[in-house]
Amino acid sequence: QVQLVQSGAEVKKPGASVKVSCKASGYTFTSYIINWVRQAPGQGLEWMGWVNPNSGKTGYVEKFQGRVTMTRNTSITTAYMELSGLRSEDTAVYYCARDEEWDWGQGTLVTVSS
Amino acid sequence: DIQMTQSPSTLSASVGDRVTITCRASQNIRSLLAWYQQKPGKAPKLLIYMASSLKSGVPSRFSGSGSGTEFTLTISSLQPDDFATYYCQQYNGYYPYTFGQGTNLEIK
Repeated sequence: QVQLVQSGAEVKKPGASVKVSCKASGYTFTSYIINWVRQAPGQGLEWMGWVNPNSGKTGYVEKFQGRVTMTRNTSITTAYMELSGLRSEDTAVYYCARDEEWDWGQGTLVTVSS
Repeated sequence: DIQMTQSPSTLSASVGDRVTITCRASQNIRSLLAWYQQKPGKAPKLLIYMASSLKSGVPSRFSGSGSGTEFTLTISSLQPDDFATYYCQQYNGYYPYTFGQGTNLEIK
Protein backbone atom coordinates (compact mmCIF):
# COMPACT_ATOMS: atom_id res chain seq x y z
CA GLN A 1 0.00 0.00 0.00
CA VAL A 2 1.03 3.60 -0.49
CA GLN A 3 3.06 5.03 2.38
CA LEU A 4 4.72 8.37 2.97
CA VAL A 5 6.98 8.14 6.02
CA GLN A 6 8.49 11.35 7.33
CA SER A 7 11.53 12.01 9.46
CA GLY A 8 11.30 12.64 13.17
CA ALA A 9 10.64 15.74 15.21
CA GLU A 10 13.22 18.51 15.25
CA VAL A 11 14.07 21.33 17.65
CA LYS A 12 15.95 24.23 16.13
CA LYS A 13 17.18 27.62 17.23
CA PRO A 14 16.09 30.80 15.49
CA GLY A 15 18.10 31.41 12.35
CA ALA A 16 18.91 27.74 11.82
CA SER A 17 17.73 25.48 9.00
CA VAL A 18 15.75 22.26 9.05
CA LYS A 19 15.46 19.52 6.45
CA VAL A 20 12.46 17.19 6.58
CA SER A 21 12.37 13.99 4.55
CA CYS A 22 9.43 12.07 3.10
CA LYS A 23 10.10 8.47 2.09
CA ALA A 24 7.59 7.17 -0.47
CA SER A 25 6.68 3.55 -1.13
CA GLY A 26 3.94 1.52 -2.74
CA TYR A 27 3.74 3.46 -6.00
CA THR A 28 5.93 4.82 -8.79
CA PHE A 29 7.67 7.74 -7.08
CA THR A 30 8.29 9.72 -10.25
CA SER A 31 4.65 9.64 -11.34
CA TYR A 32 3.22 11.99 -8.71
CA ILE A 33 4.12 15.45 -7.51
CA ILE A 34 4.86 15.77 -3.80
CA ASN A 35 3.30 18.73 -2.03
CA TRP A 36 4.38 20.19 1.31
CA VAL A 37 1.85 21.57 3.77
CA ARG A 38 2.32 22.92 7.26
CA GLN A 39 0.08 23.45 10.27
CA ALA A 40 1.00 25.76 13.12
CA PRO A 41 -0.27 24.79 16.59
CA GLY A 42 -4.04 25.18 16.75
CA GLN A 43 -4.18 26.61 13.24
CA GLY A 44 -5.32 25.51 9.80
CA LEU A 45 -3.47 23.96 6.88
CA GLU A 46 -1.05 26.04 4.83
CA TRP A 47 0.19 24.81 1.46
CA MET A 48 3.88 25.61 0.94
CA GLY A 49 4.87 24.27 -2.44
CA TRP A 50 5.62 21.23 -4.55
CA VAL A 51 8.38 19.18 -6.12
CA ASN A 52 8.05 17.06 -9.23
CA PRO A 53 10.06 13.90 -8.52
CA ASN A 54 10.42 13.17 -12.23
CA SER A 55 11.89 16.49 -13.34
CA GLY A 56 13.01 18.03 -10.06
CA LYS A 57 11.01 21.11 -10.93
CA THR A 58 9.61 23.02 -7.97
CA GLY A 59 7.11 25.72 -7.11
CA TYR A 60 6.81 27.64 -3.88
CA VAL A 61 4.28 29.91 -2.26
CA GLU A 62 5.55 33.47 -2.44
CA LYS A 63 5.83 33.90 1.33
CA PHE A 64 8.42 31.10 1.47
CA GLN A 65 10.41 32.12 -1.62
CA GLY A 66 14.07 32.46 -0.77
CA ARG A 67 13.77 30.39 2.42
CA VAL A 68 12.46 27.04 1.22
CA THR A 69 14.06 24.42 -1.01
CA MET A 70 12.26 21.26 -2.09
CA THR A 71 14.28 18.46 -3.61
CA ARG A 72 14.10 14.75 -4.22
CA ASN A 73 16.33 11.69 -4.54
CA THR A 74 14.76 9.24 -6.95
CA SER A 75 17.20 6.44 -6.11
CA ILE A 76 15.76 6.25 -2.60
CA THR A 77 12.26 7.53 -3.45
CA THR A 78 12.52 10.36 -0.97
CA ALA A 79 11.45 13.98 -1.13
CA TYR A 80 12.89 16.73 1.05
CA MET A 81 11.81 20.14 2.29
CA GLU A 82 14.44 22.44 3.71
CA LEU A 83 13.47 25.67 5.42
CA SER A 84 16.13 28.19 6.40
CA GLY A 85 16.20 31.31 8.54
CA LEU A 86 13.85 29.70 11.03
CA ARG A 87 11.81 31.89 13.34
CA SER A 88 9.37 31.07 16.09
CA GLU A 89 6.45 31.45 13.68
CA ASP A 90 7.78 28.46 11.72
CA THR A 91 6.96 26.15 14.63
CA ALA A 92 4.51 23.75 13.03
CA VAL A 93 3.83 20.23 11.89
CA TYR A 94 5.10 19.79 8.33
CA TYR A 95 3.38 17.27 6.05
CA CYS A 96 4.18 15.83 2.65
CA ALA A 97 1.24 14.78 0.47
CA ARG A 98 1.05 12.95 -2.84
CA ASP A 99 -0.71 14.98 -5.51
CA GLU A 100 -3.93 13.75 -7.15
CA GLU A 101 -4.41 10.85 -4.70
CA TRP A 102 -3.86 12.97 -1.58
CA ASP A 103 -2.07 10.44 0.56
CA TRP A 104 -0.28 12.20 3.43
CA GLY A 105 2.74 11.54 5.56
CA GLN A 106 2.34 11.34 9.32
CA GLY A 107 3.77 14.81 9.85
CA THR A 108 7.00 16.15 11.34
CA LEU A 109 6.91 18.59 14.24
CA VAL A 110 9.48 21.34 13.90
CA THR A 111 9.90 23.48 17.00
CA VAL A 112 11.84 26.73 16.78
CA SER A 113 12.94 27.96 20.17
CA SER A 114 15.91 29.69 21.69
CA ASP B 1 -4.50 33.05 -5.66
CA ILE B 2 -7.81 31.23 -5.19
CA GLN B 3 -9.40 31.89 -1.81
CA MET B 4 -11.48 29.19 -0.15
CA THR B 5 -14.15 30.35 2.30
CA GLN B 6 -15.48 27.61 4.51
CA SER B 7 -18.50 27.86 6.80
CA PRO B 8 -19.39 27.53 9.54
CA SER B 9 -16.14 27.70 11.50
CA THR B 10 -17.75 25.79 14.36
CA LEU B 11 -20.71 23.44 14.23
CA SER B 12 -22.40 21.89 17.26
CA ALA B 13 -24.45 18.78 16.56
CA SER B 14 -25.67 15.55 18.10
CA VAL B 15 -25.20 11.92 17.17
CA GLY B 16 -27.68 11.06 14.44
CA ASP B 17 -27.92 14.62 13.09
CA ARG B 18 -27.50 15.48 9.44
CA VAL B 19 -24.91 18.22 8.98
CA THR B 20 -23.66 20.24 6.04
CA ILE B 21 -20.44 22.21 5.65
CA THR B 22 -20.02 24.69 2.82
CA CYS B 23 -16.94 25.79 0.90
CA ARG B 24 -16.90 28.65 -1.58
CA ALA B 25 -14.08 29.30 -4.05
CA SER B 26 -13.17 32.79 -5.20
CA GLN B 27 -13.08 31.58 -8.80
CA ASN B 28 -14.17 28.59 -10.84
CA ILE B 29 -12.29 25.45 -9.78
CA ARG B 30 -14.47 23.06 -11.79
CA SER B 31 -14.73 19.94 -9.60
CA LEU B 32 -11.17 19.96 -8.31
CA LEU B 33 -12.04 19.99 -4.63
CA ALA B 34 -11.21 17.64 -1.79
CA TRP B 35 -12.62 17.26 1.71
CA TYR B 36 -10.55 16.09 4.66
CA GLN B 37 -11.22 15.04 8.22
CA GLN B 38 -8.56 15.77 10.82
CA LYS B 39 -8.35 14.63 14.40
CA PRO B 40 -5.95 16.07 16.99
CA GLY B 41 -2.36 14.98 16.47
CA LYS B 42 -3.15 13.20 13.20
CA ALA B 43 -2.63 13.94 9.54
CA PRO B 44 -5.66 14.98 7.49
CA LYS B 45 -7.59 12.03 6.09
CA LEU B 46 -9.07 12.29 2.61
CA LEU B 47 -12.83 11.74 2.50
CA ILE B 48 -13.98 13.12 -0.85
CA TYR B 49 -12.08 13.98 -4.04
CA MET B 50 -13.22 15.52 -7.31
CA ALA B 51 -15.94 17.24 -5.25
CA SER B 52 -18.21 14.19 -5.02
CA SER B 53 -16.15 10.98 -5.27
CA LEU B 54 -15.99 9.02 -2.04
CA LYS B 55 -12.58 7.65 -1.24
CA SER B 56 -12.52 3.88 -0.88
CA GLY B 57 -13.13 2.81 2.70
CA VAL B 58 -14.86 6.02 3.76
CA PRO B 59 -18.36 5.43 5.15
CA SER B 60 -21.21 6.20 2.78
CA ARG B 61 -22.76 8.65 5.25
CA PHE B 62 -20.22 11.15 3.89
CA SER B 63 -21.08 12.80 0.60
CA GLY B 64 -19.90 15.79 -1.39
CA SER B 65 -21.53 17.91 -4.04
CA GLY B 66 -21.01 21.04 -6.09
CA SER B 67 -18.91 22.39 -8.90
CA GLY B 68 -17.54 25.72 -10.01
CA THR B 69 -17.46 27.84 -6.87
CA GLU B 70 -19.94 26.29 -4.41
CA PHE B 71 -19.39 22.99 -2.65
CA THR B 72 -20.86 21.09 0.26
CA LEU B 73 -19.88 18.20 2.49
CA THR B 74 -22.79 16.37 4.09
CA ILE B 75 -22.74 13.80 6.85
CA SER B 76 -26.11 12.09 6.75
CA SER B 77 -26.20 10.70 10.31
CA LEU B 78 -23.44 11.77 12.65
CA GLN B 79 -21.55 9.05 14.47
CA PRO B 80 -19.37 9.56 17.57
CA ASP B 81 -16.23 9.06 15.47
CA ASP B 82 -17.16 11.97 13.17
CA PHE B 83 -16.48 14.74 15.68
CA ALA B 84 -13.35 16.32 14.24
CA THR B 85 -12.18 19.25 12.13
CA TYR B 86 -13.01 19.29 8.43
CA TYR B 87 -11.16 21.12 5.65
CA CYS B 88 -11.82 21.72 2.00
CA GLN B 89 -8.94 22.09 -0.46
CA GLN B 90 -8.88 23.24 -4.05
CA TYR B 91 -6.40 21.67 -6.44
CA ASN B 92 -7.41 23.35 -9.64
CA GLY B 93 -4.07 22.78 -11.31
CA TYR B 94 -2.96 26.36 -10.76
CA TYR B 95 -0.73 26.76 -7.77
CA PRO B 96 -0.92 27.58 -4.99
CA TYR B 97 -3.41 25.01 -3.82
CA THR B 98 -5.40 26.46 -0.96
CA PHE B 99 -7.43 25.24 1.99
CA GLY B 100 -10.52 26.47 3.71
CA GLN B 101 -10.00 27.66 7.26
CA GLY B 102 -11.62 24.56 8.73
CA THR B 103 -14.85 23.60 10.48
CA ASN B 104 -14.68 22.28 14.01
CA LEU B 105 -17.54 19.80 14.40
CA GLU B 106 -18.26 19.42 18.09
CA ILE B 107 -20.72 17.52 20.20
CA LYS B 108 -23.76 19.53 21.28
